[in-house]
Amino acid sequence: DTGVSQDPRHKITKRGQNVTFRCDPISEHNRLYWYRQTLGQGPEFLTYFQNEAQLEKSRLLSDRFSAERPKGSFSTLEIQRTEQGDSAMYLCASSLDHTQYFGPGTRLTVL
Amino acid sequence: QKEVEQDPGPLSVPEGAIVSLNCTYSNSAFQYFMWYRQYSRKGPELLMYTYSSGNKEDGRFTAQVDKSSKYISLFIRDSQPSDSATYLCAMSSSGGSYIPTFGRGTSLIVHP
Repeated sequence: DTGVSQDPRHKITKRGQNVTFRCDPISEHNRLYWYRQTLGQGPEFLTYFQNEAQLEKSRLLSDRFSAERPKGSFSTLEIQRTEQGDSAMYLCASSLDHTQYFGPGTRLTVL
Repeated sequence: QKEVEQDPGPLSVPEGAIVSLNCTYSNSAFQYFMWYRQYSRKGPELLMYTYSSGNKEDGRFTAQVDKSSKYISLFIRDSQPSDSATYLCAMSSSGGSYIPTFGRGTSLIVHP
């Protein structure tokens, strides 16, 4: 499968724990995006990378959120000290231009 | 007012109907317009991509962009129960980031 993959698909955690999600983009895509999606809403942009450079991170929801793409390939999104309000679907997308291709998402439930 | 407005529905139609899905927007800088289909608990899947104004057709799907009215549409002909999903419009402006702004999605139900 040459599409965008995300791991894990589901994560259940307790409030206060840290979680990390991984995204593997389409191999030739140099841009990688993270989004959050809550029920009944469209994807909400969080941050993006061009190669290994994080070019926009001001829309990360708080300083508990951070993302990395150390070698310009896969990326990780970490949420520290999770809160119940962090429960959502976290989506990753990759692109070469304006057309973004999404992964299946990681569904986070914070108890 | 949100930059992109999309009626959440649900829109319920019989199988075989022509479906019209729409979005309006306020940012005149938007040049790129996309439609995504999202099945429940899955990631969005790119359906159509249009640059600037005009129509684009792909099989049963037609995308229209009217920049003068800041209005975009997706038409689905001969709708099928398998088309039942949420349809998201997205749009972005020229420039390097390609960060799209999404509508909230319209839920479509095609009943047999």
